[in-house]
Amino acid sequence: AAGVIQSPRHLIKEKRETATLKCYPIPRHDTVYWYQQGPGQDPQFLISFYEKMQSDKGSIPDRFSAQQFSDYHSELNMSSLELGDSALYFCASSSSQGTGANVLTFGAGSRLTVL
Amino acid sequence: KQEVTQIPAALSVPEGENLVLNCSFTDSAIYNLQWFRQDPGKGLTSLLLIQSSQREQTSGRLNASLDKSSGRSTLYIAASQPGDSATYLCAVSGAGSYQLTFGKGTKLSVIP
Repeated sequence: AAGVIQSPRHLIKEKRETATLKCYPIPRHDTVYWYQQGPGQDPQFLISFYEKMQSDKGSIPDRFSAQQFSDYHSELNMSSLELGDSALYFCASSSSQGTGANVLTFGAGSRLTVL
Repeated sequence: KQEVTQIPAALSVPEGENLVLNCSFTDSAIYNLQWFRQDPGKGLTSLLLIQSSQREQTSGRLNASLDKSSGRSTLYIAASQPGDSATYLCAVSGAGSYQLTFGKGTKLSVIP
């Protein structure tokens, strides 16, 4: 079965640079969630989108933005990167319909290292 | 704001022992609860999902229970194996806002 695809899997950036992470949800899933997991920390919710509209917002820094496109894939844009942004970034998707509605399935994550 | 607490933070057991991991949450208005396994630096593997209307779920040597009214869940691992060594995360989804709130996890070490 198709899973949530995240790219790139690993990314190394310098301070003050910009990074973009991509997430391709499971086919027919209409909702995407972004999480950030710092070293030794639990995953923290950043933001979610339902049908291309922002549906919920967590602890996302103002330097970060995200959107969901017409094909339901999502991108997380991070600007003016700081050392503290080094983390594992997870994307999850869910469907609002049918059996298993609103159950999140996670991707393998994108590891961002800021030097 | 939902808060999820996991006890203990770390646990070391000899191989073959049965063990219980605990999770508590402050807001009982949940949609579902999930237990995840995470190996160091790796992704989240979903182990068990319990819907708010359910009391427990079983998968192989794993059994998870949910007492929504008291805000508690337990993950029972039978006949532990060294391969079970990992961090186990509990996460709850709120009714209406389905994003998950995670606990800080229990780091399990199973000693051969």
